Amino acid sequence: QKEVEQDPGPLSVPEGAIVSLNCTYSNSAFQYFMWYRQYSRKGPELLMYTYSSGNKEDGRFTAQVDKSSKYISLFIRDSQPSDSATYLCAMSDSGGGADGLTFGKGTHLIIQP
Amino acid sequence: DVKVTQSSRYLVKRTGEKVFLECVQDMDHENMFWYRQDPGLGLRLIYFSYDVKMKEKGDIPEGYSVSREKKERFSLILESASTNQTSMYLCASSTVGGTSGRPGEQFFGPGTRLTVL
Repeated sequence: QKEVEQDPGPLSVPEGAIVSLNCTYSNSAFQYFMWYRQYSRKGPELLMYTYSSGNKEDGRFTAQVDKSSKYISLFIRDSQPSDSATYLCAMSDSGGGADGLTFGKGTHLIIQP
Repeated sequence: DVKVTQSSRYLVKRTGEKVFLECVQDMDHENMFWYRQDPGLGLRLIYFSYDVKMKEKGDIPEGYSVSREKKERFSLILESASTNQTSMYLCASSTVGGTSGRPGEQFFGPGTRLTVL
């Protein structure tokens, strides 16, 4: 069963706050975990990915995966108004890209100046 | 600069019309996808293709068909458009991943907002 749960928000926080975005999933076969960012009237763009469990950091962004809990998170430090967007988690079992991804519904994030 | 283009940003059609949505990628990717995106439902996979003339059903293929005659072009066809097919349609192409812990990255087009009256 392919199912990914993600709170749609909106999530509104003041500039400079730490943001936590989360997804839960039920398919234990997922090994690749991605976060896409989608600005208004644009297609999604890959922000970060992790393979299996663990953490990955890229500038102000940190992705965490806890496979035992089937829970993934994206943290944004020192949030900026330009981070306002919809964030979609996405998952795959093979990672090969040939069979598509299973997406969460996306969380709409608003960073207030 | 990698690019996925879609033939129209906005499209308005009548119920029962045959609708063609075109997608072109210039990255020489084998894999191409069609999704629809609806408020509260997120992105849902309609069809995908991993090679020329090959196609596979996604999660919601009913009412749609696809065509891939050339590697760079993937078309979505609504044989007889209905009002419940009013949606944002997103095309994507992807690299082949799954090695060294790196997934295939999907590159999306800007989307076509289709309204069926």
